[in-house]
Amino acid sequence: KAGVTQTPRYLIKTRGQQVTLSCSPISGHRSVSWYQQTPGQGLQFLFEYFSETQRNKGNFPGRFSGRQFSNSRSEMNVSTLELGDSALYLCASSKGQGASYGYTFGSGTRLTVV
Amino acid sequence: DAKTTQPTSMDCAEGRAANLPCNHSTISGNEYVYWYRQIHSQGPQYIIHGLKNNETNEMASLIITEDRKSSTLILPHATLRDTAVYYCIVRFYAGGTSYGKLTFGQGTILTVHP
Repeated sequence: KAGVTQTPRYLIKTRGQQVTLSCSPISGHRSVSWYQQTPGQGLQFLFEYFSETQRNKGNFPGRFSGRQFSNSRSEMNVSTLELGDSALYLCASSKGQGASYGYTFGSGTRLTVV
Repeated sequence: DAKTTQPTSMDCAEGRAANLPCNHSTISGNEYVYWYRQIHSQGPQYIIHGLKNNETNEMASLIITEDRKSSTLILPHATLRDTAVYYCIVRFYAGGTSYGKLTFGQGTILTVHP
């Protein structure tokens, strides 16, 4: 079956611009989480959505936002991009919420801010 | 969520068992232990999780001590493809919508040698 699909794979943006990243979860998965990965900070949790509602949120500024649609697809948006936002952004989906479910990660979107 | 402590790096000979330890001495009764791994340039991959009983699946075994303060991930016959960063994560779950974030630490870099 198809895995978690993230688009685009690579993106180059200019400081001050905004960007939207997309994530299509595995069919039947209703939970979607987003992570930022950088060499210095490692994998950092951004937010998690289940049934179009944000369930958990990490410690990121308000420039980072997300949403989930009724078909479970999710988008995250970063406004007013800064150089430090350059990172690999990973999306993960899970069948449900809670402890019984593992998360399947996509291959990520590599964002470079210049 | 309880913090975890893992060795920074470990080596293992191909074909031998790889035993990766994790300390989570402040774990509470509602916190599960998860293991993920990340192979270079890919998204993390779910391996296994458990609450208090030992668990086994096609990839690995998870041994949790009786006091739940530590655990060991066992890869029974390590191959070169098992070279990766292994993350031990403790996550709170109290049922329904009451659950914590999946927070990644620095992990253990496992290198499998020929």
